[in-house]
Amino acid sequence: GNSVTQMEGPVTLSEEAFLTINCTYTATGYPSLFWYVQYPGEGLQLLLKATKADDKGSNKGFEATYRKETTSFHLEKGSVQVSDSAVYFCALSRGYQKVTFGTGTKLQVIP
Amino acid sequence: DAGITQSPRHKVTETGTPVTLRCHQTENHRYMYWYRQDPGHGLRLIHYSYGVKDTDKGEVSDGYSVSRSKTEDFLLTLESATSSQTSVYFCATDQGREETQYFGPGTRLLVL
Repeated sequence: GNSVTQMEGPVTLSEEAFLTINCTYTATGYPSLFWYVQYPGEGLQLLLKATKADDKGSNKGFEATYRKETTSFHLEKGSVQVSDSAVYFCALSRGYQKVTFGTGTKLQVIP
Repeated sequence: DAGITQSPRHKVTETGTPVTLRCHQTENHRYMYWYRQDPGHGLRLIHYSYGVKDTDKGEVSDGYSVSRSKTEDFLLTLESATSSQTSVYFCATDQGREETQYFGPGTRLLVL
C-alpha cells in the first residue's frame, strides 16, 4: 500500500535559519504530493503541492520538488520566521484512493 | 477557502454516553472525511463519504458510525464513548481525484 515517511520532530531552529524537513513516499504509479501545515489550535491547510515528477511546489517562501528517482518531496525554506512554528505534514494522493499522511513534524522557531 | 465548520468545538462527556459531532460544508464537495489526531499517530481516518448516503470505513472505525443525509452535512457518532476516544477530531472535504483536502477547525473531545 501507499505510505509516507517524514523525519521525526521536534525540529528547533533559530530565526533566519535554513529549514529542511525530509519526506519520502511509497506508492504505485505517479501520485500527487502535498505539504500541509497545522498552526496551533487549527486544522490543517494546504501549504504546497506537486502533481508530477520534477514539479516544484512553492508558497510563502517554502519549496518542495517532486523527485521520482528518490521518491522524495523534501520541504525547504531559506530563512524561517517565528511565525512558521507549526506542525508540517507530508501527504500523497493517488487517483481516487484515500489520502495518505505522514505523522507530522513539529517545527519550533526561536527568536 | 472552503467553508467547513464543526460543532461542537469542545465537548466533555462521560464514558458510556452517546456523542454526535457535526461537520458542515458550503463548497458542495463530493467527498467528506472524519479523522482523529493523537500524539504520535498523526492523522488517522475513521470514516469517509463519497456521496449522500454513501459511506465507508477507514482504518480506525471501531466504535464509530457516520451518516450523510445531505451533501453539506456529515455526522460522526460515538455510540457509547470510551476514554480511548478522547482525541481531536477533524472533518475534511475534497473533490476527489488527487485534489486538495480542506479541513475544519477541529473538535476537542474529552471522555471522562
